Amino acid sequence: NAGVMQNPRHLVRRRGQEARLRCSPMKGHSHVYWYRQLPEEGLKFMVYLQKENIIDESGMPKERFSAEFPKEGPSILRIQQVVRGDSAAYFCASSPTGGNEQFFGPGTRLTVL
Amino acid sequence: DAKTTQPPSMDCAEGRAANLPCNHSTISGNEYVYWYRQIHSQGPQYIIHGLKNNETNEMASLIITEDRKSSTLILPHATLRDTAVYYCIVRPPREEKLTFGTGTRLTIIP
Repeated sequence: NAGVMQNPRHLVRRRGQEARLRCSPMKGHSHVYWYRQLPEEGLKFMVYLQKENIIDESGMPKERFSAEFPKEGPSILRIQQVVRGDSAAYFCASSPTGGNEQFFGPGTRLTVL
Repeated sequence: DAKTTQPPSMDCAEGRAANLPCNHSTISGNEYVYWYRQIHSQGPQYIIHGLKNNETNEMASLIITEDRKSSTLILPHATLRDTAVYYCIVRPPREEKLTFGTGTRLTIIP
C-alpha cells in the first residue's frame, strides 16, 4: 500500500505566480489535512477536507489560499499570487476516518523568488 | 497554541533508552496524548498515542502519569536513525487538527 504521495516535491515560483500542490492520500483514506512548516518553525494546521467538502479551514490565510478534494483525483492546495513569505514546506496527511492517526506525505518545498 | 511543554533538545547514547518528557498540566479528561516525530526534511511520522493507560507498540512506550499532567515517551534501544524532532500533542477527541509545538530535538550519539 503506497503511502501519501505529494507532488511536486520541490516547486519554484516567482512572486505573483500561482502554485498548485497535489496530494494523493493513502488508498482507502477519505480524510485529508494540509499543514505548513515555515523555515525553522513547527508545523501549522491549515485545512481539513473530506471528499468534496471542506470541514475545517481555520488555519488557512484569508486570501490567496484555497484547497479542494474532488470526488476523483488528488487534493489540491492552490496559492495565488505567491509572495516570498509563502516559501515553506507544505505537508499533506491522510487518515481513513476522523479521529485517528494521520499519515503524512514527504512534503512539497515551495520557494518563491 | 500547543498545550504541551517539552525540553528543546536532548542527547542519548546509541543503544540506550531515550526518555522524552512532556508536560501537559492543563489537559482535560477526554483529551488524548499523541507523539509524532519528524526526521530531518521528512514528513512527520506517527509514533503512539494514549488516554490514561500506558501504551506500547513496536516503536515505543508511552507512560502517562496518574494525574495525566505529564507523560514520557520511551524509545527502548535508540539507534542513530531515531535522531529527529519529537512532538508531544494533546488532542481533544473530536478535533481533527494536530497542534504541533516546538518539540524536542533528540540526537542519538554514536
